Amino acid sequence: QSVLTQPPSVSAAPGQKVTISCTGSSSNLGAGYDVYWYQQFPETAPKLLIYSNSNRPSGVPDRFSGSKSGTSASLAITGLQAEDEADYYCQSYDSGLGGASWVFGGGTKVTVL
Amino acid sequence: QVQLQESGPGLVKPSETLSLTCTVSGGSISSDYWSWIRQSPGKGLEWIGYIYYSGSTNYNPSLKSRVTISLVTSTNQFSLRLKSVTAADTAVYFCARQDWTHGVDTWGPGALITVSS
Repeated sequence: QSVLTQPPSVSAAPGQKVTISCTGSSSNLGAGYDVYWYQQFPETAPKLLIYSNSNRPSGVPDRFSGSKSGTSASLAITGLQAEDEADYYCQSYDSGLGGASWVFGGGTKVTVL
Repeated sequence: QVQLQESGPGLVKPSETLSLTCTVSGGSISSDYWSWIRQSPGKGLEWIGYIYYSGSTNYNPSLKSRVTISLVTSTNQFSLRLKSVTAADTAVYFCARQDWTHGVDTWGPGALITVSS
């Protein structure tokens, strides 16, 4: 059970929009800690997609966007393309009672229909 | 541009200690946070811990009793030691660079470590 909750899968046709949610709590997103998003293709290392809630590193297409509000965050992919089919993970810092630590969501598989 | 590369034995026996080294090239280890992250087969990402260039560490509470991350500044490397391993520790282990603004912005390719007798 991940501290950050993501839907296991989302799907849409090419050109459509998908949104991936990342739900946390008062000890992570709700405490003001930023959220980061990563994209991972099979058998490869993850790649940073969004940092500090809504910022894109150089080279990431602007069809990827991130937002955060309260204890939740979301990643949106507009104009979905076949090459966007991958796993996506959110990450934040958690200051929970068990000990402060960085945490990942369980991951969401995006399928392009 | 900073690049990372994991190295170490691919097979570890149960109850023994897993040891991995990450070599940093194209930049100095004397800045930023240096992390270890793992991914069990078919599963999601799990943050193991990191070390700051000053030597301070932060570990995942669920692994803290078994983990040690160290810097080797003379060779621009950092290392992971995970003791008393079981089959549940079988995973691809990634070394990475992390900071509070950019998150994990640089990853090594990963090393598959299998725990088996």
